[in-house]
Amino acid sequence: DAGVIQSPRHEVTEMGQEVTLRCKPISGHNSLFWYRQTMMRGLELLIYFNNNVPIDDSGMPEDRFSAKMPNASFSTLKIQPSEPRDSAVYFCASSSYRGRRSGANVLTFGAGSRLTVL
Amino acid sequence: TQLLEQSPQFLSIQEGENLTVYCNSSSVFSSLQWYRQEPGEGPVLLVTVVTGGEVKKLKRLTFQFGDARKDSSLHITAAQPGDTGLYLCAGASRQTSGSRLTFGEGTQLTVNP
Repeated sequence: DAGVIQSPRHEVTEMGQEVTLRCKPISGHNSLFWYRQTMMRGLELLIYFNNNVPIDDSGMPEDRFSAKMPNASFSTLKIQPSEPRDSAVYFCASSSYRGRRSGANVLTFGAGSRLTVL
Repeated sequence: TQLLEQSPQFLSIQEGENLTVYCNSSSVFSSLQWYRQEPGEGPVLLVTVVTGGEVKKLKRLTFQFGDARKDSSLHITAAQPGDTGLYLCAGASRQTSGSRLTFGEGTQLTVNP
């Protein structure tokens, strides 16, 4: 398996532009997570999906952020319009969690998308 | 919001030394995981602990879950340069049926040859 695949790996854009980050989870995984990592705040959960349905988006900072999962093999995180404070590394992770009785939720992370907004 | 505090934030040691990293919270977790992250990569799972008082060993790494399931520690014996990285603890909440993980801010470890 190629693991969780994210694109682009690096993006530099100007304030006000739209940014779309993409993620392909591991085949067979039913949960997908979007995290943001910064030096100041560490890893923050933005949103997660179970079986393509958004379960918890309380971590999405503002209406400028939106996430979709149209099918089990693809998800996008969109920022429109982007601002310099959105600069961070955005990680997608997937898991095959099926509830507490199946054990702990083990996440497999992608390599991340480093976003710089000028 | 459940918080996980890690200490120390930064640790720089010489090869061969021992070290301990701590992860503390006021909340009870159904399970706790440790991940290691290297530059330019995502975090990679090292271990999961689920039972209070549980101890797991992974070669030179020893992980312990507190009896009350509110804290954990990671001990590395005879550290090597290959141990360098960001160590993250992550807790699963009972309230969210264990699916949501909260991460600590991490301990950046540098092992100098």
